[in-house]
Amino acid sequence: GAVVSQHPSWVICKSGTSVKIECRSLDFQATTMFWYRQFPKQSLMLMATSNEGSKATYEQGVEKDKFLINHASLTLSTLTVTSAHPEDSSFYICSARDIAWTGELFFGEGSRLTVL
Amino acid sequence: ELKVEQNPLFLSMQEGKNYTIYCNYSTTSDRLYWYRQDPGKSLESLFVLLSNGAVKQEGRLMASLDTKARLSTLHITAAVHDLSATYFCAVGRNNNDMRFGAGTRLTVKP
Repeated sequence: GAVVSQHPSWVICKSGTSVKIECRSLDFQATTMFWYRQFPKQSLMLMATSNEGSKATYEQGVEKDKFLINHASLTLSTLTVTSAHPEDSSFYICSARDIAWTGELFFGEGSRLTVL
Repeated sequence: ELKVEQNPLFLSMQEGKNYTIYCNYSTTSDRLYWYRQDPGKSLESLFVLLSNGAVKQEGRLMASLDTKARLSTLHITAAVHDLSATYFCAVGRNNNDMRFGAGTRLTVKP
């Protein structure tokens, strides 16, 4: 099956710093990628939809200036958490839609962010 | 707005028993997904259901979709300990992303 790789798998940073998470589709082209956040023992919540070559679409309540999304190529989307605070600590998961849409989305391994 | 309700939220069952997890959703959709998540891990795709009446089986798990009733079920047959995990259903939205249910945390006891 299609592979989506996220990097880093986990990161610990100090409050006030920025952290970048990468999401790559390794063996297919993805015009659209999605970023989710999952708090402990909760479900996945969609943060934003990332479209290659255009601005991301953010879900209601998600600060676009805090969670910067860039989808510069058909295989890479990045999520930057700016000026991170402890409440941003979470499990961030990306998914990607194949350019040949089959109805399935492929998920990355997730990135666990801990802000001290 | 699309709402996805999953139940039960927690399920503890004995090995060898059968049980069904239910997923109801509020608006029309033709894509229904089931995922498994182990602690600290990302999602593992179990089933993708794309049409009314679709039924798929893999090992001890079987999923079905009734788009008219807006209901999907995940049936567990003769549960084993290895099936312990959190199971999510997700319903496709028009913009091609998906809305997740709250998850069912399954514990299978010997």
